[in-house]
Amino acid sequence: EPEVTQTPSHQVTQMGQEVILRCVPISNHLYFYWYRQILGQKVEFLVSFYNNEISEKSEIFDDQFSVERPDGSNFTLKIRSTKLEDSAMYFCASSRTGDPTYNEQFFGPGTRLTVL
Amino acid sequence: DAKTTQPNSMESNEEEPVHLPCNHSTISGTDYIHWYRQLPSQGPEYVIHGLTSNVNNRMASLAIAEDRKSSTLILHRATLRDAAVYYCILISQGGSEKLVFGKGMKLTVNP
Repeated sequence: EPEVTQTPSHQVTQMGQEVILRCVPISNHLYFYWYRQILGQKVEFLVSFYNNEISEKSEIFDDQFSVERPDGSNFTLKIRSTKLEDSAMYFCASSRTGDPTYNEQFFGPGTRLTVL
Repeated sequence: DAKTTQPNSMESNEEEPVHLPCNHSTISGTDYIHWYRQLPSQGPEYVIHGLTSNVNNRMASLAIAEDRKSSTLILHRATLRDAAVYYCILISQGGSEKLVFGKGMKLTVNP
């Protein structure tokens, strides 16, 4: 069964450093998402991406964040200058269409980001 | 987004049916009821969704009240692998593509 994969599984970085989290969505999916979950808290939407551009973003997704689909398979989330409060589990997801009433989102296993 | 309320937690026994309730009294006519779950240390996973009629799939059944103000996710035979946080989410047709997760309900399955 096809699945969303994410690398690395755990990333440790120093405050102020740049990090890139990588995801390989399911191959025939067209919509891509990043969510995050701070330890013990809710899963929060960050951004959705379609046709090589951001289609929706949350208030969390400020200028420190960017997303990119550098080739036909990868989808990346970059945090330009990490803060302590960016420590969280980051989940990538993908779906065939952008209408969640019809198509479920498939989530990856997550990347745990620890900012020291 | 229309709000849902779920119990904080429930316990069940392995191989017994378990009914997970969700209230959504402010649901609108174009809101679909979706259930996702999150197993420990994993990403969320789609379970089932419906609009008005009851739905069955290989994972679970979804029973929707006639007035649609509540629904129940039914696991027919709980297994240890079903221990997870279950999220009941309303999604509007034609609305945002994002999923809005609440706190969910933690299901514990006892052997």
